[in-house]
Amino acid sequence: DIQMTQSPSSVSASVGDRVTITCRASQGISSWLAWYQQKPGKAPKLLIYAASTLQSGVPSRFSGSGSGTEFTLTISSLQPEDFASYYCQQSNSFPLTFGEGTKVEIK
Amino acid sequence: EVQLLESGGGLVQPGESLTLSCAASGFTLRNFAMSWVRQAPGKGLEWVSFIYGNSLATSYADSVKGRFTISRDNSKNTLSLQMNSLRAEDTAIYYCAKKHTNAYYSFDYWGQGTLVTVSS
Repeated sequence: DIQMTQSPSSVSASVGDRVTITCRASQGISSWLAWYQQKPGKAPKLLIYAASTLQSGVPSRFSGSGSGTEFTLTISSLQPEDFASYYCQQSNSFPLTFGEGTKVEIK
Repeated sequence: EVQLLESGGGLVQPGESLTLSCAASGFTLRNFAMSWVRQAPGKGLEWVSFIYGNSLATSYADSVKGRFTISRDNSKNTLSLQMNSLRAEDTAIYYCAKKHTNAYYSFDYWGQGTLVTVSS
């Protein structure tokens, strides 16, 4: 199975800050990585797929990069509605696996 | 508008069975692969099962293989998850999710989830 390791597990940041979350795969997954945002009590929401493609309707302050085993999600200027948990997911092969999540909290 | 609505969750005792349903609308279910993903209370996301649009192939997490069965009725626009021999560790919110049109195994629409609690 492909293990996905996310870091940090939590980050405290202020509105306007740039935030970067890293996801590492235990083996190469090409560009088959997705990022999701989840707010408390809500379903996950797809932000980025294929490592760097922004899902329709997602603000351009979100961006993704990487390939192979190392990937990043960047929020260029944190907005109040961005305080949430973020998960990476490898979409390369079964079993599909998620990272442990990163909680973005208000500083 | 794409909508996914899960139902069937509840409180069951260990060893019992439960069937979850996911009603799909706003798209043609048979054209899309679907999945179940769960989230234990206060924990992260765990993929559970996947089924292709034609139902000819399915896949399961090791943690549920042999106990859970995913199926679909494209004529009724419904996805199901039959869960047998339930364990305490199966306690979670169960989400159904639609595979993205343009990407390998990522999911662009999710339901709001249904809670399954396994406890004596």
